[in-house]
Amino acid sequence: EVQMLESGGGLVQPGGSLRLSCAASGFTFSIYAMSWVRQAPGKGLEWVSGISGGGSTTYYTDSVKGRFTISRDNSKNTLHLQMNNLRAEDTAIYYCAKSSGGIAEAQDYWGQGTLVTVSS
Amino acid sequence: QSVLTQPPSVSGAPGQRVTISCTGTSSNIGAGYDVQWYQQVPGTAPKLLIYGNSNRPSGVPDRFSGSKSGTSASLAITGLQTEDEADYYCQSYDSSPVFGGGTKLTVL
Repeated sequence: EVQMLESGGGLVQPGGSLRLSCAASGFTFSIYAMSWVRQAPGKGLEWVSGISGGGSTTYYTDSVKGRFTISRDNSKNTLHLQMNNLRAEDTAIYYCAKSSGGIAEAQDYWGQGTLVTVSS
Repeated sequence: QSVLTQPPSVSGAPGQRVTISCTGTSSNIGAGYDVQWYQQVPGTAPKLLIYGNSNRPSGVPDRFSGSKSGTSASLAITGLQTEDEADYYCQSYDSSPVFGGGTKLTVL
C-alpha cells in the first residue's frame, strides 16, 4: 500500500524557516517524480515544487524560487522541502504528492498534509 | 487567477448528470498535455479521479468520466450521489504542473 506521511509543519514568524519532510512507502521511490502542493485556507490547490526521480532536476513555482529548496533522499525514501524567508502568503497545508511517472504526469497518491502557519 | 479556468460551483439533484469544464490555452491543454481531475472532500487530501484525460484509476466508479478537446476538458458525473459533494480540480502542465481554481459540487 502506497503511503506518504508529511511532517515538519508548524507556526513560524515571517522571515523564518521550516523544513518539511515526507516519508514514502509502498512503491519504488526513486523511479517517480515527487511534488509539493499547497492549499491556503479556503483556497484551491497550488503546485509549489517538484523533483525528478533521480533528484537531478528540480522545479519551482515563481513565487517560491530562491526561497524554497526541494530535495530527496532515495536511500531513505524521503522527500524534503526547505522553506526560507517565509511570508504570510506561504500559510497553507502542504501536501506531498507522488507522480505516476515524470513531473508532467498525474499525482496519483497524496499524503494527508502538514499545516504551515506564518504569523507574528 | 488560475492558469486553468473552472466554474466556481455546479449543482445537481441525486441521480442527475453534471459536467465541470476546465478551460486552458495553447500552452497547456492545447499543447497536448494531458488533463487530470482530482476530488477533494473538505478536510481531506485530494484524490486522483481521472488521469490522461479520460482514464479512471482502479476503484473510481464509472459514473465519473473525462474528456478533452482543443484547449478544454470536461469532467462528467452521472447518477449523482450525495457522497459526490466535494471540490473538483483539473490539472495539466504548462512549464510546470498547473491547477484549475476548483469547482464546488453541491448535491441538492
